[in-house]
Amino acid sequence: NAGVTQTPKFQVLKTGQSMTLQCAQDMNHEYMSWYRQDPGMGLRLIHYSVGAGITDQGEVPNGYNVSRSTTEDFPLRLLSAAPSQTSVYFCASRRTGGEAFFGQGTRLTVV
Amino acid sequence: RKEVEQDPGPFNVPEGATVAFNCTYSNSASQSFFWYRQDCRKEPKLLMSVYSSGNEDGRFTAQLNRASQYISLLIRDSKLSDSATYLCVVNGAGGSYIPTFGRGTSLIVHP
Repeated sequence: NAGVTQTPKFQVLKTGQSMTLQCAQDMNHEYMSWYRQDPGMGLRLIHYSVGAGITDQGEVPNGYNVSRSTTEDFPLRLLSAAPSQTSVYFCASRRTGGEAFFGQGTRLTVV
Repeated sequence: RKEVEQDPGPFNVPEGATVAFNCTYSNSASQSFFWYRQDCRKEPKLLMSVYSSGNEDGRFTAQLNRASQYISLLIRDSKLSDSATYLCVVNGAGGSYIPTFGRGTSLIVHP
C-alpha cells in the first residue's frame, strides 16, 4: 500500500524555469492538497481539490497551478520559478472527516 | 487571531518527565481534531485523533475542551525518541476539506 507518493524528492531549478511536482494517492481519497513548509512558518496551503475536476486556491497560490483530472493524481506546476519558492513541498490526501496522509515531501531549491 | 495556535516552544525536558502541550482553535464549529508528529526534514505523521471524551494511547493522552476551544496532548515518561515537533490539526464544520494546521510545538527530550 503506497499511500501518497511524491516525486521528485529533491530538485534544483534556475530562476525562470518551470517544473511539475507529482503527487499520487492510492487510497481513493476525495480531498488532496499541496502545502509548502518554510522555517518558522508552519504548513501553508497552496492549492487543494475536493474531487476530480475541482480545484481551488489556498493561502499562498501565486506562482503555482494545479489540476485534478483523476482521483489519484494532483500535480503542482511552478510556472516560472523564483528564489522565494525555495521550500519543502508536501502533498496530502484525506477522506471526509478523516486524517490527512502526507507524501514524503519535495525539497526544492531555486537558484 | 490565528485559526489554530500553538506555543512553538521549544520544550526542553529530561527523560522520564511529563510534558503537556495545548492548542487553541477559533472556529467553534470545528468537528475533528488531530495531533501529528513531525521529525526533522520528514513529513508529518498522525500521532492520534482527539475524541470528545478524551483518549489515551500508551504514554500519550489527548483531550478536547470544546467550551474553551482547545485540545491538549500529554506525554508521560518522555523518551529521547519523543523529540520532534507536534502539530495540532483542526478540521472545520461538516468535515471541511481544509484542515488547519498549527505551526507546531518543538519538544526536545534530553538525557
